[in-house]
Amino acid sequence: GEEVAQTPKHLVRGEGQKAKLYCAPIKGHSYVFWYQQVLKNEFKFLISFQNENVFDETGMPKERFSAKCLPNSPCSLEIQATKLEDSAVYFCASSQVTDHTEAFFGQGTRLTVV
Amino acid sequence: QQPVQSPQAVILREGEDAVINCSSSKALYSVHWYRQKHGEAPVFLMILLKGGEQKGHDKISASFNEKKQQSSLYLTASQLSYSGTYFCGTRGAAGNKLTFGGGTRVLVKP
Repeated sequence: GEEVAQTPKHLVRGEGQKAKLYCAPIKGHSYVFWYQQVLKNEFKFLISFQNENVFDETGMPKERFSAKCLPNSPCSLEIQATKLEDSAVYFCASSQVTDHTEAFFGQGTRLTVV
Repeated sequence: QQPVQSPQAVILREGEDAVINCSSSKALYSVHWYRQKHGEAPVFLMILLKGGEQKGHDKISASFNEKKQQSSLYLTASQLSYSGTYFCGTRGAAGNKLTFGGGTRVLVKP
């Protein structure tokens, strides 16, 4: 596709429930990035992939967050046992290469943990 | 380390100019500028690369001082559509993630 597609647009979960977010990168883009944006507008880097391989996971809270990018499937970000502080907009972005090209962002998934 | 943006907010009248600055304590390989409107995805504006190459929007200009590890985004003859939050994203030589600054809110009034 010509745009990064994120689903769902909104997700509400009770504390302790699981949340799973999906991202279909632009066709032909090798790199996928996940960011968390909280109310103060700051973007927190979570994880990046080169094709199906984890490239950089320095931002991932290891205990409850996991992510995958499998061939022929949308990438996913899963949060086990959600907490109130996980409430945020989660953005996925993709790019062809990393050095000279822009990253295109999806519309985001707003996760609300109640 | 997160780059520092200044100012945090700016209010302009249509037609006025503004400059948004982004500085980093780390050596930079590239600086990426995005604009985000409320409730929407960030939209790419400009890339500035070490060595002087630039790629971006026709009506937005920017500079990159590699020595000072700073970049500036110039909003010239601002239009109402320029309103939004501007983010700089920086990338070091190693790795591929963009680290974003805290954003600069721009409001252009008629």
